[in-house]
Amino acid sequence: NAGVMQNPRHLVRRRGQEARLRCSPMKGHSHVYWYRQLPEEGLKFMVYLQKENIIDESGMPKERFSAEFPKEGPSILRIQQVVRGDSAAYFCASSPVGSNQPQHFGDGTRLSIL
Amino acid sequence: EDQVTQSPEALRLQEGESSSLNCSYTVSGLRGLFWYRQDPGKGPEFLFTLYSAGEEKEKERLKATLTKKESFLHITAPKPEDSATYLCAVQKGTSGSRLTFGEGTQLTVNP
Repeated sequence: NAGVMQNPRHLVRRRGQEARLRCSPMKGHSHVYWYRQLPEEGLKFMVYLQKENIIDESGMPKERFSAEFPKEGPSILRIQQVVRGDSAAYFCASSPVGSNQPQHFGDGTRLSIL
Repeated sequence: EDQVTQSPEALRLQEGESSSLNCSYTVSGLRGLFWYRQDPGKGPEFLFTLYSAGEEKEKERLKATLTKKESFLHITAPKPEDSATYLCAVQKGTSGSRLTFGEGTQLTVNP
């Protein structure tokens, strides 16, 4: 999965803390997607962003979760006041503009809530 | 609502024993069907995209096919290194839109 860089790879937070997950897309890609994989479940779409715009956030929980993709720097998925149910693997994917190219994934951030 | 169902959930094969994985889908306006491979602790790795019924793609021991209702991933003479979870996903008719994933087939190939 060279190209899409996610950090940190592992993140441990206590209940009520904030978690920030970062994603740098592949070079030349301006579409970023976030997916969540809960234990024993499949990948679920959360949000789709382009530079400075949220295109589709229909998979994001209504509260505590937000995402951004600024003009400069990585995309950030932010989870406020984390709860045990937020424990999951969070994957970022990227794709180029306006083509039929597939989404390429990073190796994810494993979030554990104590 | 878009649905993707993969079967079987798990499959054990002996090295060299060919088989097929199934992905059934219900989606209005299919743009593309994608196959990924996921190893433990890693992100999904892209394998194939299929766009229209009748299309086939091949890569080494893997061959993917597509009909109007399902896709198959055929594995010919598998090796232990083919052991992984294979994921199927669909994308609707808008460029750059979300992927809807199935829950995967966990393949184990024994030497």
